[in-house]
Amino acid sequence: QVQLQQSGPGLVKPSQTLSLTCAISGDSVSSNSAAWNWIRQSPSRGLEWLGRTYYRSKWYNGYAVSVKGRITINPDTSKNQFSLQLHSVTPEDTAVYYCARLVGGTPDIWGQGTMVTVSS
Amino acid sequence: QSVLTQPPSASGTPGQRVTISCSGSRSNVGSDTVNWYQQLPGTAPKLLIYSTNQRPSGVPDRFSGSKSGTSASLAISGLQSEDEAEYYCAAWDGSLNGYVFGTGTKVTVL
Repeated sequence: QVQLQQSGPGLVKPSQTLSLTCAISGDSVSSNSAAWNWIRQSPSRGLEWLGRTYYRSKWYNGYAVSVKGRITINPDTSKNQFSLQLHSVTPEDTAVYYCARLVGGTPDIWGQGTMVTVSS
Repeated sequence: QSVLTQPPSASGTPGQRVTISCSGSRSNVGSDTVNWYQQLPGTAPKLLIYSTNQRPSGVPDRFSGSKSGTSASLAISGLQSEDEAEYYCAAWDGSLNGYVFGTGTKVTVL
């Protein structure tokens, strides 16, 4: 079955870049029917979709307005994974970050979650 | 901040029926299908209902979803103690061009 395994640091300093990776097993990051998403959850902002990458003959990205300009989501076909980079972080970016597969308009498979704290 | 509005809490005794509402707008609930997630403490959300009223394999038929206009609902019939969790609705928003979630409803089994 499809599984997503997240990795990355749990502590990031303010103004630096938050970087997380999501390794895919049981599916392909280059799938023509799936999109690969990052979602975060915090007490103040609830569940918040951050963006996605997907392949439909070429690569596409889409990002939430709230983080546009600070976010990059990239696929890595050689390792069958995708990554999140969130630049210039502040304490407001402290949250649990999830990667998720979206199929048919539905995020159906989620990673285990990574608690990321932004603090000096 | 969450775009879809849910009641913060709902409760019932074992065996009762509980309904959770999800209020959105024409650009999300009103124009696309709705998904529902169940989240237990310390775990990732689990897909409970997709395409408004479809259950993934393994989800009990006690859970059902529906939609009317810009509002959706999740019903839990025959409430059980293991149903105590946080529930979220979600949908694609065509105006924001992004996926949006509800504020969440904490279900308590009395």
